[in-house]
Amino acid sequence: EPEVTQTPSHQVTQMGQEVILRCVPISNHLYFYWYRQILGQKVEFLVSFYNNEISEKSEIFDDQFSVERPDGSNFTLKIRSTKLEDSAMYFCASSAYPSGGNPRDTQYFGPGTRLTVL
Amino acid sequence: AQKVTQAQTEISVVEKEDVTLDCVYETRDTTYYLFWYKQPPSGELVFLIRRNSFDEQNEISGRYSWNFQKSTSSFNFTITASQVVDSAVYFCALSEVTGNQFYFGTGTSLTVIP
Repeated sequence: EPEVTQTPSHQVTQMGQEVILRCVPISNHLYFYWYRQILGQKVEFLVSFYNNEISEKSEIFDDQFSVERPDGSNFTLKIRSTKLEDSAMYFCASSAYPSGGNPRDTQYFGPGTRLTVL
Repeated sequence: AQKVTQAQTEISVVEKEDVTLDCVYETRDTTYYLFWYKQPPSGELVFLIRRNSFDEQNEISGRYSWNFQKSTSSFNFTITASQVVDSAVYFCALSEVTGNQFYFGTGTSLTVIP
């Protein structure tokens, strides 16, 4: 069964460093998402991406964050200058159809990357 | 305002007991989707079910069942004859026509005691 994959599973970085989190969405999916989950808290939406551009982003997704689809398979989240409060689990998700239309399709999540900022 | 509320933070049951996880949502859209995801200790989010706002028929899948009631804006999840492997955090989520994101509840941590 196809699945979303994410690398690395755990990333440790120093405050102020740049990190890139990588995701390989399900191959025939066209809509991609990043979410984060601070330890013990709920899953929060960061950004959605379609047709090589951001379609929606939350207030959390400020200028420190960027997303990119550098090739036909990868989808990346970059944090330019990490802060302590960026420590969280970051989930990538993908869906075949948009989650802002009809029909709405299910978002399938990757296993997450645990980011620890020291 | 919270779009998805899971009032139960933690629940413990003894194996083979039935347990119901509550989810209450809030939306102005007439078309929306509701989801349940399971997050085991390993951390991944596992899709369990999707339900659209026009289908209030309850669904059963093995030991899992879901009760969707638009009148009370609830989408509750019942596990029958719980097992230790059911121990996880369960998230309810809402998706609206007017946006791309999923709104997650704060999750209910279920512990099934052998």
